[in-house]
Amino acid sequence: EPEVTQTPSHQVTQMGQEVILRCVPISNHLYFYWYRQILGQKVEFLVSFYNNEISEKSEIFDDQFSVERPDGSNFTLKIRSTKLEDSAMYFCASSEARTGGLTEAFFGQGTRLTVV
Amino acid sequence: DQQVKQNSPSLSVQEGRISILNCDYTNSMFDYFLWYKKYPAEGPTFLISISSIKDKNEDGRFTVFLNKSAKHLSLHIVPSQPGDSAVYFCAASLAGTASKLTFGTGTRLQVTL
Repeated sequence: EPEVTQTPSHQVTQMGQEVILRCVPISNHLYFYWYRQILGQKVEFLVSFYNNEISEKSEIFDDQFSVERPDGSNFTLKIRSTKLEDSAMYFCASSEARTGGLTEAFFGQGTRLTVV
Repeated sequence: DQQVKQNSPSLSVQEGRISILNCDYTNSMFDYFLWYKKYPAEGPTFLISISSIKDKNEDGRFTVFLNKSAKHLSLHIVPSQPGDSAVYFCAASLAGTASKLTFGTGTRLQVTL
């Protein structure tokens, strides 16, 4: 069964450093998302991406965040200058376009980011 | 911002019995609702969904009920199995495939022998 894969599974970084989280969405999917879950809190939407541009972003997704689909298969989330509060589980998801416009998003297993 | 709420943080059910997980929402513009299951250290796994034009959707042991007037949905699992033990999230979205999902806080289901 096709799945969304994320690398690395765990990333430890020093405060102020840049990190890039990588995702390979399901191959025929057209919509891509990043979500995060801070420990003990709910899963929160960060950004959605379609047709090589951001379609929606939350207030969490400020100027230190960026997304890119560099080569038609990978989808990356970059955090330019990490802060302690960026420590969370980051989930990539993808969904396909479907007639009627209703479709579920499939999630990767997540990357645990720890900022020290 | 508590647009999607799961008021029960945990639920314990005996194997073979019915599990009922509840979810309330406040935004009447939501028109698509989903349930995800999550094991520790894994991503959410899609279970079942329902469009706002329906009031029930069934898939094997899982049934989702939607009461639009009450802005309430529930997930029924019958019969419950030990492998169902996980955290269950309800999520909602506005019209359109590229729309974000708004998640509830989750309910931890424990199915006991």
